[in-house]
Amino acid sequence: EDKVVQSPLSLVVHEGDTVTLNCSYEVTNFRSLLWYKQEKKAPTFLFMLTSSGIEKKSGRLSSILDKKELFSILNITATQTGDSAIYLCAPLLGGSQGNLIFGKGTKLSVKP
Amino acid sequence: DAGVTQSPTHLIKTRGQQVTLRCSPKSGHDTVSWYQQALGQGPQFIFQYYEEEERQRGNFPDRFSGHQFPNYSSELNVNALLLGDSALYLCASSLGGAWGVFYNEQFFGPGTRLTVL
Repeated sequence: EDKVVQSPLSLVVHEGDTVTLNCSYEVTNFRSLLWYKQEKKAPTFLFMLTSSGIEKKSGRLSSILDKKELFSILNITATQTGDSAIYLCAPLLGGSQGNLIFGKGTKLSVKP
Repeated sequence: DAGVTQSPTHLIKTRGQQVTLRCSPKSGHDTVSWYQQALGQGPQFIFQYYEEEERQRGNFPDRFSGHQFPNYSSELNVNALLLGDSALYLCASSLGGAWGVFYNEQFFGPGTRLTVL
């Protein structure tokens, strides 16, 4: 059965801190891994990672994938209160599938 | 450029009733996927539509059905509602024909919050 585990489930930090969110997965027909940020309703796309070891960056956020060890991390540096959200990771399945398998998410709270 | 839109925003139904949720994909997108997100959980895949056909389906009962129209918009129907169907229903669209779904990110709409009493 396909499985995605995110850790920690929740995290409270202060503005300016750096955080690392973890995502491990066991899925059949792995194609790529996506990270989303969910504040109220719609998950908003952050990164799509297809190749191992290549870091993707967007401002203070960065992410990397390890396809051998089956995990990904999302780093956020110099956190701001606006980073407070649930961060979801989701392997995208290949083969004949093409759907996302989500973890439960990590709830990040950034205190002023 | 409008993103993915969904209607209605909120819906309250009673057990046994039927509901229809609607989704318009992002402009140019032709594949629509539906997800159910229960409180405190990540979204769970319901099914995916491409070229007006259900291309694949997650582990949901037949009470959940859908449709895709020629303009790529989609509907999700749930019959014989149960209390456990209360959730946020998310629609996601992606670009690129038969194979694009494997290469392109899925963009989500704001969801429909369904409450079953």
